[in-house]
Amino acid sequence: EVQLVESGGGLVKPGGSLRLSCAASGFTFSDAYMNWVRQAPGKGLEWVARIKSKGAGGTTDYAAPVKGRFTISRDDSTTTLYLQINSLKTEDTAIYYCVWEGPEGTFHFWGQGTLVDVSS
Amino acid sequence: EIVLTQSPGTLSLSPGERATLSCRASQSASSSYLAWYQHKPGQAPRLLIYGTSTRATGIPDRFSGSGSGTDFTLTISRLEPEDFAVYYCQQYDSSSLFTFGPGTKVDIK
Repeated sequence: EVQLVESGGGLVKPGGSLRLSCAASGFTFSDAYMNWVRQAPGKGLEWVARIKSKGAGGTTDYAAPVKGRFTISRDDSTTTLYLQINSLKTEDTAIYYCVWEGPEGTFHFWGQGTLVDVSS
Repeated sequence: EIVLTQSPGTLSLSPGERATLSCRASQSASSSYLAWYQHKPGQAPRLLIYGTSTRATGIPDRFSGSGSGTDFTLTISRLEPEDFAVYYCQQYDSSSLFTFGPGTKVDIK
């Protein structure tokens, strides 16, 4: 059974940092392209970042609003995906979902999400 | 960058009725990379349709997708109580990567 379990969210002040984690199981994590997608309160879904498998170069991509502040990484030995979030802004308040990317650029399987609340 | 627009914003229907949801792209989008998701409050989003018209694993056949170019449609042939949710279209391209539409809420009339 595929499982993606996010953790690390919480309340943080503007300018602060957080590291989100996603524990993956039930599939070959090392072959997977992995993503973070977020949903701000009352808003729609927004793609945040992607990391390819090491076999595909392990390259990373970011959405414009987070480039330079967020860093996606992976540890294939522990099947864990990370998102380091720095210089947090109130507009970063959202549920952050860990997502396994499927064929044709689809978001194949989603975790339940972890809430990041940026507030003074 | 391709921008996706969805209409209507809200669709109020009764169980058993047909739902037709529209997704329009600001420029021609590859039909191979157009997907639809269902999202219910407090739950993870779920992939329904990919490649414009292919149902994901376990998705009932009352859900169907169609379209090409800039106009894509998700149809729910007969709404079941569990289908009331928000639906998002999403496209992938090599330049802007992943883009979601703003969503269509299907609620009970």
